[in-house]
Amino acid sequence: AQKVTQAQTEISVVEKEDVTLDCVYETRDTTYYLFWYKQPPSGELVFLIRRNSFDEQNEISGRYSWNFQKSTSSFNFTITASQVVDSAVYFCALSEINDYKLSFGAGTTVTVRA
Amino acid sequence: AAGVIQSPRHLIKEKRETATLKCYPIPRHDTVYWYQQGPGQDPQFLISFYEKMQSDKGSIPDRFSAQQFSDYHSELNMSSLELGDSALYFCASTARRGEETQYFGPGTRLLVL
Repeated sequence: AQKVTQAQTEISVVEKEDVTLDCVYETRDTTYYLFWYKQPPSGELVFLIRRNSFDEQNEISGRYSWNFQKSTSSFNFTITASQVVDSAVYFCALSEINDYKLSFGAGTTVTVRA
Repeated sequence: AAGVIQSPRHLIKEKRETATLKCYPIPRHDTVYWYQQGPGQDPQFLISFYEKMQSDKGSIPDRFSAQQFSDYHSELNMSSLELGDSALYFCASTARRGEETQYFGPGTRLLVL
């Protein structure tokens, strides 16, 4: 069963618009970790943010912010004032305390047009 | 800061040939993970090593094997290559198994003809 669901396949915006990526996860563990990774057209996987299950505080880091809600098992990610360089595939991923591998969602392709 | 190093970056092989992919983790990282990403797909976990011992195993074909050496670098050996093995292979490392962020290398793009 898919542990991480990213319902949005593709999102296209114009530069300076905000982009919110949805992520819903499924786990029975009480301790787990959630991540967002970015994969630009060059192919590498770049770590963006990580959240521990015991810390629901939402934060902002530069143009990135995230909304972690355990009650709805969601871990949404927002890019504020998008730029062309933000064009990439964004993956949400889950790591459980006794199963350390990353389980990725299917990814959301973000295209930012100038 | 030093990152994960993978070699080669690109590899072209014929069917039934063998390939060896190498991964050099970030210094002082003792855990290595291997992932396979097919075209248009998300990365899938293959295998991981902690302190030179295999720690977890995912959907890795029996034709593939891997190990972690005393200097913590890891090698993924792939034999009897098939067309379906064409993919991007990532290595990731962490400082402490299960409790740290996995940082990925640039990947090895394998094409099997």
